[in-house]
Amino acid sequence: GENVEQHPSTLSVQEGDSAVIKCTYSDSASNYFPWYKQELGKRPQLIIDIRSNVGEKKDQRIAVTLNKTAKHFSLHITETQPEDSAVYFCAAKDWGNEKLTFGTGTRLTIIP
Amino acid sequence: DAGITQSPRHKVTETGTPVTLRCHQTENHRYMYWYRQDPGHGLRLIHYSYGVKDTDKGEVSDGYSVSRSKTEDFLLTLESATSSQTSVYFCAIRAGQGAGELFFGEGSRLTVL
Repeated sequence: GENVEQHPSTLSVQEGDSAVIKCTYSDSASNYFPWYKQELGKRPQLIIDIRSNVGEKKDQRIAVTLNKTAKHFSLHITETQPEDSAVYFCAAKDWGNEKLTFGTGTRLTIIP
Repeated sequence: DAGITQSPRHKVTETGTPVTLRCHQTENHRYMYWYRQDPGHGLRLIHYSYGVKDTDKGEVSDGYSVSRSKTEDFLLTLESATSSQTSVYFCAIRAGQGAGELFFGEGSRLTVL
């Protein structure tokens, strides 16, 4: 089955700086890569996703890049703000499969 | 919240007792999922359903069973709870064939003593 590794497990950045979280996946059949954000005590929520027919997708301060050859994808958050503090999870799956495999999460702390 | 409610939200039980968690949705979605969340493991799929009476196993299904007798309810049962099943359990739905996003419920925290 799919295996998703996520790094780093914790990340602290100064407010206004950029944050990058990286994930690798093992199954070359995977073609859908979402990112979820989970605030303390809350449910995970989708913030951005990418399918393998594109290499990059951007939504305001958030972007995701995908390198299919190397089997890795990354989340980039620019101009970080205190409300970006949360745990972020990457995930991967084959679009035709119901089994979405998550990474182990990155706790991002924005330092005011 | 995509019309998802989980119950109970918190439960403390003893080893060996049966436990059932309920996920209820109001929007007639076909796909429903049960995940567990543990520190250092992220979210792991237990079971999922793609219709009434249609279910399949996820990556950590041992010790768990599910049932879906009607579209709106997806039940997760621990036949004989163990301490290793202490976790936060999230139900999720997927809106349809062309949608990738999972909408999660608020979670159910289960403690097995």
